[in-house]
Formats: sequence, structure tokens, C-alpha cells
Amino acid sequence: GQQVMQIPQYQHVQEGEDFTTYCNSSTTLSNIQWYKQRPGGHPVFLIQLVKSGEVKKQKRLTFQFGEAKKNSSLHITATQTTDVGTYFCAGPKTSYDKVIFGPGTSLSVIP
Amino acid sequence: EPEVTQTPSHQVTQMGQEVILRCVPISNHLYFYWYRQILGQKVEFLVSFYNNEISEKSEIFDDQFSVERPDGSNFTLKIRSTKLEDSAMYFCASSAGALATYSNQPQHFGDGTRLSIL
Repeated sequence: GQQVMQIPQYQHVQEGEDFTTYCNSSTTLSNIQWYKQRPGGHPVFLIQLVKSGEVKKQKRLTFQFGEAKKNSSLHITATQTTDVGTYFCAGPKTSYDKVIFGPGTSLSVIP
Repeated sequence: EPEVTQTPSHQVTQMGQEVILRCVPISNHLYFYWYRQILGQKVEFLVSFYNNEISEKSEIFDDQFSVERPDGSNFTLKIRSTKLEDSAMYFCASSAGALATYSNQPQHFGDGTRLSIL
């Protein structure tokens, strides 16, 4: 079945350093979604990428969708303590509504 | 801002008992979902529901699970005979449109129900 993988599993950074998490799907995705989950919280939608090669920015966050629509990345510039949490990528297969979440990358920011 | 609400926030149940988890999706949303998350692990898809029927379900969603939209506002998940391994956080989510589309149709998640099976 479809698998979505993310690396790294954990990342500890000093405040002000950059952070990147990578997401890979075993199958082509119709779109890729990114979510952030704070400890004890629920997943919160960050963004959706739809087009092959698409790049979107939200302030210090940059999201990319690969040309083959099977991989994606999230890059945070100059991390802050408010960035702490687990970042999940998630994607439905083409034409299906079954969304598969990656295992997440847990980000810790040391002040 | 409209929210997905889930009740109860915490449910403790004896193994073998039936449990019903309740959700009120955002009012103009048409697609509804249940996910579960075992502590410290990833979010796992259970089922999606549209137009009063299941549109997709995962291998986890076996005969012990069922979903229902009993009225115009509630969306429920029933586990018929709970097992220890059903202990997890259960999230309900809703979206205005289908997720596998080319338009921005995010899912909005509720705060979850923590289910503890004894």
C-alpha cells in the first residue's frame, strides 16, 4: 500500500538556526498537505501544494512539491521557540480521499 | 472562527464495552473524517464520509468500527467491542471539499477524544 516517509524523525536546533524536513511518498500524490501539531494538541493545517514543482512561502516557512509529485520539503528559516512541534506531511493518492500521514518530524528549539 | 468540536475529551472504558465518540463538524463542511493517533506515533487515517456514506476506509477500520451521521450536525464513531489496542487519541476532521482535488480544501481537526481501554 501507499507509504509516506519523513526524515529526520527528530531535530534539535538552536534558536535562530534553520530547519528542514523531507517527505517522500511511494506513490504519486494529487496534492501534499503540511500540518503542525504542538505537544498535546491536534494537527493544524499549514498549507497545500498542488502543482508539480510548486514552491510556496509563509513568512519564515518555505514549502516545495517535487516535480514527480512524490516528495516535498518544509524549510524554516531562523527557527523560534514558537516553531516547536511535530510537522507532518500528508497526501491523498490521485482521485482518492484516503489521506496518508507521514510519521512526522519532531522539532525542538533550544533557546 | 468555526471549529470542529469533539466530546468527550477523555473516555475511559472497560475492554469489550462499546464506545461512541462524538463530533460536530464545521457547519458548511461536507466531508468528514476520523483519525487515530497512538501516543507518540503518527496520525492514522480511519475513514472518510461523504453524502451519508463511507467514501474510503483503512485496514484499521474493521467490522468493529462504524460511523454515522444521525442528524444534520453530529458525526459519530462507534467501536463495538473495544480492545486494549484501541487506546489512542481519536481525531475528527472535516473539510468543505474533497481532499484529492486541485483546490485548497484543508481539513480542520477537532481537539480529539483520548480513549483509554482498561
